[in-house]
Amino acid sequence: DQQVKQNSPSLSVQEGRISILNCDYTNSMFDYFLWYKKYPAEGPTFLISISSIKDKNEDGRFTVFLNKSAKHLSLHIVPSQPGDSAVYFCAASARETSGSRLTFGEGTQLTVNP
Amino acid sequence: NAGVTQTPKFRVLKTGQSMTLLCAQDMNHEYMYWYRQDPGMGLRLIHYSVGEGTTAKGEVPDGYNVSRLKKQNFLLGLESAAPSQTSVYFCASSSPRRTTEAFFGQGTRLTVV
Repeated sequence: DQQVKQNSPSLSVQEGRISILNCDYTNSMFDYFLWYKKYPAEGPTFLISISSIKDKNEDGRFTVFLNKSAKHLSLHIVPSQPGDSAVYFCAASARETSGSRLTFGEGTQLTVNP
Repeated sequence: NAGVTQTPKFRVLKTGQSMTLLCAQDMNHEYMYWYRQDPGMGLRLIHYSVGEGTTAKGEVPDGYNVSRLKKQNFLLGLESAAPSQTSVYFCASSSPRRTTEAFFGQGTRLTVV
């Protein structure tokens, strides 16, 4: 039972354009959502997060949108840069979960073409 | 400024052999985790710990054991390796504050032949 799903295994965009990565979840207990970025042969690094009491959080070129009624969140990258090419993981946690452990999606490989 | 350090970075095991993966963090985090990453499956939690001397099972614990004897270290053991345990293993740590992220190590690529 995949509680966090990223339905697009890959996405390719042109440099300067917007990248939109999507994530859906099924567990209504999730109340904190994060995006991680992963380069080859490295560990995931934290990118941006959002609490369920908000519907938008922005940090520079990165914005995360949360639609609780649809159980959907998205990550917007504007403008996209070649250095953004990486695998992006969506993750979620629930307040009642011991250890604040995260449930991850499958990941989306983003390729930004110069 | 090390953060989370995993040892070793690469390992090849024969079926049935045992090994221990070491994770060390220098951020004084209470929580530590072991994940495995397989193609098309994201990161799946193997075991985790909410403090020194405590461990708990995650989503895919079978075939693994863990220990947290010191706050800064979290060990993952494979008693009898199987080819299905070929994967990339990531250790992570975090503080108990709900709105902080987990910090990950660089990963250990394990191949069981």
